[in-house]
Amino acid sequence: DGGITQSPKYLFRKEGQNVTLSCEQNLNHDAMYWYRQDPGQGLRLIYYSQIVNDFQKGDIAEGYSVSREKKESFPLTVTSAQKNPTAFYLCASSTARGNTGELFFGEGSRLTVL
Amino acid sequence: GENVEQHPSTLSVQEGDSAVIKCTYSDSASNYFPWYKQELGKGPQLIIDIRSNVGEKKDQRIAVTLNKTAKHFSLHITETQPEDSAVYFCATNSGYSTLTFGKGTMLLVSP
Repeated sequence: DGGITQSPKYLFRKEGQNVTLSCEQNLNHDAMYWYRQDPGQGLRLIYYSQIVNDFQKGDIAEGYSVSREKKESFPLTVTSAQKNPTAFYLCASSTARGNTGELFFGEGSRLTVL
Repeated sequence: GENVEQHPSTLSVQEGDSAVIKCTYSDSASNYFPWYKQELGKGPQLIIDIRSNVGEKKDQRIAVTLNKTAKHFSLHITETQPEDSAVYFCATNSGYSTLTFGKGTMLLVSP
């Protein structure tokens, strides 16, 4: 089945540690995205990538980093510089024209920083 | 950047009633208006979308209406069922090559 796989589903880390969230898609989509979801805040864009080896900052990129070395993969690293990292993180993909077409979301990764 | 306001934040209805969720946006260049449904613990899924060249679109019990002059669009769910209970997000395109989302509406349908 085609889709987006995020792992891990749940992650606990100590304050000050970097963590990397995995996102893999087999939909052959060019564009991939990372959103952060907090209660009552909707979905806020962290980073997006429209093509391999290229990515752009979204609205809340500070304290996060990404890479896009393969079309299928778009990992997100939450660094120790992120002041409030506890959140639900969603990865998505779309055809190249992501702002006029459907986003396909993974099931999310819930990060808790202790 | 684009600003999307969504109301209400929570909505409780009885099974069989209709539910309406409204969104307003700020960028007059926006031309794509999707609605996503998110069930508990899962990622959002597209349920219906509309483009700026039409005013209304229906798909069985759900419909979306668009008023470009007033810059608002609405989701209408008729004959609600308990399985419609979820969080619904509106969105629209903006300066980025992606979407700007509203803050979501939690819909609870009571049997």
